[in-house]
Amino acid sequence: EPEVTQTPSHQVTQMGQEVILRCVPISNHLYFYWYRQILGQKVEFLVSFYNNEISEKSEIFDDQFSVERPDGSNFTLKIRSTKLEDSAMYFCASSEGGAGESYEQYFGPGTRLTVT
Amino acid sequence: KQEVTQIPAALSVPEGENLVLNCSFTDSAIYNLQWFRQDPGKGLTSLLLIQSSQREQTSGRLNASLDKSSGRSTLYIAASQPGDSATYLCAVWNTGNQFYFGTGTSLTVIP
Repeated sequence: EPEVTQTPSHQVTQMGQEVILRCVPISNHLYFYWYRQILGQKVEFLVSFYNNEISEKSEIFDDQFSVERPDGSNFTLKIRSTKLEDSAMYFCASSEGGAGESYEQYFGPGTRLTVT
Repeated sequence: KQEVTQIPAALSVPEGENLVLNCSFTDSAIYNLQWFRQDPGKGLTSLLLIQSSQREQTSGRLNASLDKSSGRSTLYIAASQPGDSATYLCAVWNTGNQFYFGTGTSLTVIP
C-alpha cells in the first residue's frame, strides 16, 4: 500500500541553525500538508500546498518557515533559524483532493526535531 | 477559531467491551471530520472520514457518527481488543480551509 515517507526520523540541531525536513507524498496525490505536534500537545496545522503554491497557512507558519516541492516527488519544510520552541514532531501528509472534495489525508511517520 | 475537544482524555476498558469516544467542535462550518489513531512515537493512521453531509460511516468494528448542527461526533468501537490500545484523535476540516485536531483520547484495552 502506498505511504507517505519522511526523512530523517530524528534531527538534532542547534538554536539558530537552518533545518530542512523532507517528505515524499503518495505519488498520485495533489495536496500536501505539514503539521507539528509539540510533546504532550495537540497536532497543529502549519500549511497546505497545491499546484506549487501555498493554499493555506496558520498563524504558526511565519517568515521562519518555508515549503517547497523541488522536484516531482519531494516536499520539504525549511525552518530558517531554529528556536528552542520549534522542538516538536513534524508530520507531513498528502491527499488526492482538497478539503472541499473530502479526501482523506494520509500522514507520514513524522520527524522528531530537537533544538538545543 | 475552531476548538475541538475530546472526552474522555483517557479510558481503560477490559477486552471485549464496546466503547464510545466523543469529539465536539465549536464551529459547525466544516467540510468533513476525520478520526485517526496514533500509536506512541508514530504517525497518524486514518480510520474514518465523514463528509459534512453524512451522518455516519462504518469500517469493520468501527462506527463514526456526525451531528454537525450540535458540533458532535462519536467513534464507536465494538468488541475491543488489546491491539486497539492507542490514542484516538478527531480532526475537522473547516470551510476556512484549516484542519483542527482534538486533544485526543488515550485508550487502553486490558487483556
